[in-house]
Formats: sequence, structure tokens, C-alpha cells
Amino acid sequence: AQSVTQLGSHVSVSEGALVLLRCNYSSSVPPYLFWYVQYPNQGLQLLLKYTTGATLVKGINGFEAEFKKSETSFHLTKPSAHMSDAAEYFCAVSGAGRRALTFGSGTRLQVQP
Amino acid sequence: KAGVTQTPRYLIKTRGQQVTLSCSPISGHRSVSWYQQTPGQGLQFLFEYFSETQRNKGNFPGRFSGRQFSNSRSEMNVSTLELGDSALYLCASSLGSGEDGSPLHFGNGTRLTVT
Repeated sequence: AQSVTQLGSHVSVSEGALVLLRCNYSSSVPPYLFWYVQYPNQGLQLLLKYTTGATLVKGINGFEAEFKKSETSFHLTKPSAHMSDAAEYFCAVSGAGRRALTFGSGTRLQVQP
Repeated sequence: KAGVTQTPRYLIKTRGQQVTLSCSPISGHRSVSWYQQTPGQGLQFLFEYFSETQRNKGNFPGRFSGRQFSNSRSEMNVSTLELGDSALYLCASSLGSGEDGSPLHFGNGTRLTVT
């Protein structure tokens, strides 16, 4: 069975600082991995996805994620946080015969001025 | 291209009542999935429809049901509402399925409050 673990339910950074949101997955075969962002009172918006190929995936709004098979990780980073990045971020996995996305519990990012 | 549209945005119902939520997918998308989001349980998969057929179902009681129409629009129904059904219900559409890595495109959800 697939599962996703997001370390840290809340992360706080200063504006301009590095953003690092952690995601580890468990899957018996290479999965499809996604990061979504949710702003208050809205649905989820796709930030980026990993399927196969390059291990560094670039997404929207300056975010990127690195797929590390040896560590079963797919951490999300952004070099410089902006106030508008404050939101909740979800890591998700699918594939390997499982059609539905399995989401992590989410990480709420707070950006301090 | 218009995004996923969910109606209504907000609903207040009383225990024991039933409710129907509606979702219009992105044009051309034939797969529609439903998720329940609560502070305690997070995002949980309800079901997925493709070409009017339910392809996948999550671990929810039979009170939760859905359907998809020939134009890909979908509805979900919850009968005999319980307080614990209060949640944000999210609909998402995709071109393919989770098996092929197709990403989901979400609507803004319907917030259901059961009193």
C-alpha cells in the first residue's frame, strides 16, 4: 500500500528565507508524486508533479522538488519565501495500480515579514 | 478554459437530512473524483467516476454515493446526514487516471455544515 508522510504540520520562515517542506513516501514501485497548495477557502492547486526521468522537478511560483529514490523522499523547496506563499501544502502519491491520490496530512507554511 | 466548478459553495443541513453536491469538470476531462477534507482526517478519497462508471471507491459508508452523467458532470449524495459529515467536499477532474500520473484539477469545494 502507498502512503505519504509529511514531516512538520507547521513550518514558519522569514520572508526571503529558504522554504523546505518534507515529504516521504512508501511505495513498492516507482510512484507518481505531486505537490499541491491550498489557499484559504479554496481548492487544491497543482504545484508540480514527478512521473519519470529527471529527479529535479520545477513547478509554478518558483517551487521545485527533488525525487530521491534511495531516501524515498520528495521534498519541496523554494529559495526565497514570499508572503504570498503562506498556505497549506500537500504531498500526494498515486500509481502502481492505485488510481486515487493518497495525500499527506499537509504542512501549513507561515511566512513572517 | 474554465476550471472545475462546484455548487453550491456553502450548505447548512440538519442531521438526518440528505444533500446533493454538484461538480462540472474541465471541458474534455472524463474522470471526476471526490474527496472529503476535514481537520481531523485530512483529505480522504470518496470515489472516482470515468465515463459514467464508478472506477474506484474509498472507505466510506453507503450513505455516500455518486454518479456521473454523459456530459461528465458529477453529483455526490449524502443521505441521513451526521454531524461528522461536516467537511469541505472537493471535486477534481483529470484527463486520465491516477495509474497514468494524470494530475487532478480541483474545484474550490462545497463546505457542508451539519447541525
